[in-house]
Amino acid sequence: AQSVTQLDSQVPVFEEAPVELRCNYSSSVSVYLFWYVQYPNQGLQLLLKYLSGSTLVKGINGFEAEFNKSQTSFHLRKPSVHISDTAEYFCATLYAGGTSYGKLTFGQGTILTVHP
Amino acid sequence: DTAVSQTPKYLVTQMGNDKSIKCEQNLGHDTMYWYKQDSKKFLKIMFSYNNKELIINETVPNRFSPKSPDKAHLNLHINSLELGDSAVYFCASAPTGSTYNEQFFGPGTRLTVL
Repeated sequence: AQSVTQLDSQVPVFEEAPVELRCNYSSSVSVYLFWYVQYPNQGLQLLLKYLSGSTLVKGINGFEAEFNKSQTSFHLRKPSVHISDTAEYFCATLYAGGTSYGKLTFGQGTILTVHP
Repeated sequence: DTAVSQTPKYLVTQMGNDKSIKCEQNLGHDTMYWYKQDSKKFLKIMFSYNNKELIINETVPNRFSPKSPDKAHLNLHINSLELGDSAVYFCASAPTGSTYNEQFFGPGTRLTVL
């Protein structure tokens, strides 16, 4: 079974400040890791993903995340946030050994609010 | 140009009614999904279809019945609606291939049961 824990339900930050959204996962098998963003009243958009290879992955809108296998973490970072980054962010896992029909397991979400 | 579309966007109905939510994708994908996002924003898979065949069926009440008339459509029919069914329902699709294929999400349907 897989589970995903996002350690902060809300993260307030000032514009141009750095931010880190934390995600830990638990799985007895290899998983792929994702971050999705949901803007108000919109669907989910993929920010970035880790499948294999380099543990530092870069995504859209200046976000990056680092896969840490020993700590089973996949924290999302951005060095300087903008007002437009205000949204809810979801960390998710997908079983790496199964078919491509796999289901995503999501964390509880982190609301990032960027203040001017 | 919409990749994954859902109708309606908002649905308000009374307890006990039967309603359907439609999903269509124009990406040529073979696999489609329904996810439920509850009031606490927790997202969970409900169903998955591949080439019109049910692949994933999580622990969902029998009142929920997905129907896939063709690869591009996956509709969700809900019988005897209950207050607890109020949520945002997201449809997603993904291509079929090896290893991993990205899931593309629709805009969601906000269902409110009164």
